Amino acid sequence: IAGITQAPTSQILAAGRRMTLRCTQDMRHNAMYWYRQDLGLGLRLIHYSNTAGTTGKGEVPDGYSVSRANTDDFPLTLASAVPSQTSVYFCASSDSAEQGLDTQYFGPGTRLTVL
Amino acid sequence: GDSVTQMEGPVTLSEEAFLTINCTYTATGYPSLFWYVQYPGEGLQLLLKATKADDKGSNKGFEATYRKETTSFHLEKGSVQVSDSAVYFCALSDLSNDKLIFGTGTRLQVFP
Repeated sequence: IAGITQAPTSQILAAGRRMTLRCTQDMRHNAMYWYRQDLGLGLRLIHYSNTAGTTGKGEVPDGYSVSRANTDDFPLTLASAVPSQTSVYFCASSDSAEQGLDTQYFGPGTRLTVL
Repeated sequence: GDSVTQMEGPVTLSEEAFLTINCTYTATGYPSLFWYVQYPGEGLQLLLKATKADDKGSNKGFEATYRKETTSFHLEKGSVQVSDSAVYFCALSDLSNDKLIFGTGTRLQVFP
């Protein structure tokens, strides 16, 4: 059982380029999330999805978009990357739409550098 | 809004020392409280949680008690090991939107 996989592991990207970070889970969890982790700021929620076909905005959604076409996949797209989007990105999932109460399972992360 | 405050790190200890990592929170209502751990090069994983006042979460020798009167959820371990070296995140569930709110993380370094 893989749990949550993310790709790529790391990426260096020129500013202005489009980039999609991939996230796949095999636990059949309803809810999925994207966070960014920055030194001194902890983890901040970018977007989330309570169930396939629905998405919502988190704390820092600007410059990012997501889709949830099926239960397993939750890609995060940067339409036109900027240096302030340099960060480590984590995908997570949980079994319940009651996100605050249920354990979240995290992927290994994608380290993105925008130059 | 709701928030979580953790002690700044790094916390540096010798093996078998006692560990305390402080966490306090601000919230309306009675959120659930969590500690997540991030080992080097990995994603976060749940360490323990408590869902109501006076509950004690425990796992792998770590403990934390939900203290409503002091709005705290301090993480403790009686005897740390080198393998406990990691970043520890305190978090709460925001009852208004069911989202997790994380603290900034505390790095623990344990030396033999």
